[in-house]
Amino acid sequence: GDSVTQTEGLVTLTKGLPVMLNCTYQTTYSPFLFWYVQHLNEAPKLLLKSSTDNKRTEHQGFYATLHKSSSSFHLQKSSVQLSDSALYFCAFASSGSWQLIFGSGTQLTVMP
Amino acid sequence: AQTIHQWPVAEIKAVGSPLSLGCTIKGKSSPNLYWYWQATGGTLQQLFYSITVGQVESVVQLNLSASRPKDDQFILSTEKLLLSHSGFYLCAWSLEQGNTEVFFGKGTRLTVV
Repeated sequence: GDSVTQTEGLVTLTKGLPVMLNCTYQTTYSPFLFWYVQHLNEAPKLLLKSSTDNKRTEHQGFYATLHKSSSSFHLQKSSVQLSDSALYFCAFASSGSWQLIFGSGTQLTVMP
Repeated sequence: AQTIHQWPVAEIKAVGSPLSLGCTIKGKSSPNLYWYWQATGGTLQQLFYSITVGQVESVVQLNLSASRPKDDQFILSTEKLLLSHSGFYLCAWSLEQGNTEVFFGKGTRLTVV
């Protein structure tokens, strides 16, 4: 069946450094990929989404490129800020499905 | 603008007691509605979805049930709570099927003791 894998459970970085959070997926259908961010005690909010192969999408300094050849949608930022500390989820949906499948999440902690 | 309101904000309930959580969407006609469950620090698991009034589909079995009595209302309930029901329950809505953004409510924190 369809699945999403996030390999890092916890990432700790110093402010100003770059970050990449990994996301890979498995499906036999046409994929739609999302990154959601959840700050402490808040609801998840959409950060990025894409269904177009090899096209970079950006928002709030974060960016990701869907690569269908490697089934990946990694999230990157060139310089993390303290306010980026949050739980990040990669999520997957396929055309014709009502199910949004979330990865296990990556807790990003940015230190001063 | 669309708003999503969940109630209660938090609950502490005893094992074996009943539960009812609610969600109301305002500003959007005939939304697709969802219930998600999140263990503390864990991933989001979709529980139910509803496309129209009176119709609810189950995604996973967790001894919970859901109903959509009105176009803008979604209810999650059970007659007997288990310890494993503890967590964060999020109601959400979307415009279309599958490939569009899902908007989440602020959630209900449930602690079963």
